[in-house]
Amino acid sequence: EADIYQTPRYLVIGTGKKITLECSQTMGHDKMYWYQQDPGMELHLIHYSYGVNSTEKGDLSSESTVSRIRTEHFPLTLESARPSHTSQYLCASTKGTGTDTQYFGPGTRLTVL
Amino acid sequence: KQEVTQIPAALSVPEGENLVLNCSFTDSAIYNLQWFRQDPGKGLTSLLLIQSSQREQTSGRLNASLDKSSGRSTLYIAASQPGDSATYLCAVKGPDSWGKLQFGAGTQVVVTP
Repeated sequence: EADIYQTPRYLVIGTGKKITLECSQTMGHDKMYWYQQDPGMELHLIHYSYGVNSTEKGDLSSESTVSRIRTEHFPLTLESARPSHTSQYLCASTKGTGTDTQYFGPGTRLTVL
Repeated sequence: KQEVTQIPAALSVPEGENLVLNCSFTDSAIYNLQWFRQDPGKGLTSLLLIQSSQREQTSGRLNASLDKSSGRSTLYIAASQPGDSATYLCAVKGPDSWGKLQFGAGTQVVVTP
C-alpha cells in the first residue's frame, strides 16, 4: 500500500490567484515527480526531484515551480493561475533504484475560472 | 524521442471475456515497462512491472508480456469482471532516464455485466 497524499483533491479558483498543491509521502522515497494530465490524454512530466534541494523541469514546459526542502514533501506552486492551467496534477514517488515501481497520489483536479 | 502508443483507445467486453490490451514503443532501449490502472478522477495504481531482461510478469488474473526487440507489450486480463472497468496505461522507462517514465494515452475498458 503506497502512502502518498495530495491536497486539495479538488480546487476551483479565479484567474490570477497564487496556489500551492501539496504532495507528501511517508515511504522515505528519494525521487518524486509531478505530472499533468488532461482528460483522455497521456501524463506529461512537469517536474521531478532526486532528493532534498534537487529539482528539475520535466519534458512538458510548465509555469509552475516546485521545492524540495524535506524528503517527504514536494509542493507545486502556481504564482498566477490562468484557465490554461486547468488540469489534473498527479504526484508520484519511487525509492530510487532503477527497478522500482512508481507510486502515485490520488491527484488534484484544478479548475481556473 | 520515445513514443508510446496504446491501441485501442477504448474497449467494451462482456463479463467473463478475456481482455487483451496492447502497448507499443518506438525505442527498444528501455529499462523497464509498467502497466497501471486509473479509475475516473483518481491516481494511478501500479499493476505489473517488467524488467527489460524479462519476457513476462504475472499477478493473479493479470499477465503482461514484453517483446523489447519489436517494441511491444501486451496486458492480458483473464475472465474479466465489471470491477476491471478502468483506464489502463503503460509506461516505459529509458536506460538513462533515472526514473522518468514515458506514458501512453491509455485504453479505456468497460466490462458489461
